[in-house]
Amino acid sequence: DGGITQSPKYLFRKEGQNVTLSCEQNLNHDAMYWYRQDPGQGLRLIYYSQIVNDFQKGDIAEGYSVSREKKESFPLTVTSAQKNPTAFYLCASSADRGMSEAFFGQGTRLTVV
Amino acid sequence: DQQVKQNSPSLSVQEGRISILNCDYTNSMFDYFLWYKKYPAEGPTFLISISSIKDKNEDGRFTVFLNKSAKHLSLHIVPSQPGDSAVYFCAARSDTGANSKLTFGKGITLSVRP
Repeated sequence: DGGITQSPKYLFRKEGQNVTLSCEQNLNHDAMYWYRQDPGQGLRLIYYSQIVNDFQKGDIAEGYSVSREKKESFPLTVTSAQKNPTAFYLCASSADRGMSEAFFGQGTRLTVV
Repeated sequence: DQQVKQNSPSLSVQEGRISILNCDYTNSMFDYFLWYKKYPAEGPTFLISISSIKDKNEDGRFTVFLNKSAKHLSLHIVPSQPGDSAVYFCAARSDTGANSKLTFGKGITLSVRP
């Protein structure tokens, strides 16, 4: 049963703490992406990776970090430098670098208190 | 500067009627357009797409129209069903290869009344 899995679904952290969001896919996709959704906003690109051991900053990368050590995994770390970390985070993958169709995970709701 | 605009935040239609969701873009380098459907607290799911070399693509009840000269696309759902109630995102792709990525609009909330 192929798909893309994000965990956990809900996450609470204290202000000033780093937190890592998991994203795993078994679709054998080369490309993976992290988006953030805020109320009334579209999906904004944080980071993306077209291939293992390589990634690029998206439109709002400040305060975030990623790694791509394995094809299946693209974890996102929300650091204490991110000024407004509370949001809904979505991970996506696509079979081709052209992103002709992206598959999304179920999302992680991060709340920083 | 928003490159993909969905100017109407919401739309309400009667079951069985047509839903028309609009999307405008500013970047002439966009070459591929997609529509995603999203339920609350879930990830978006792909609905339909269209290449910039076409002006129409149809899949069952869903049709996407592209007017390149006007930089406008629309999603038509007919007949609309209550299960279509969701947020619909328009997305556009610029470039291919190493720097390909999708730019999303803010979304339109569609409500289909029984």
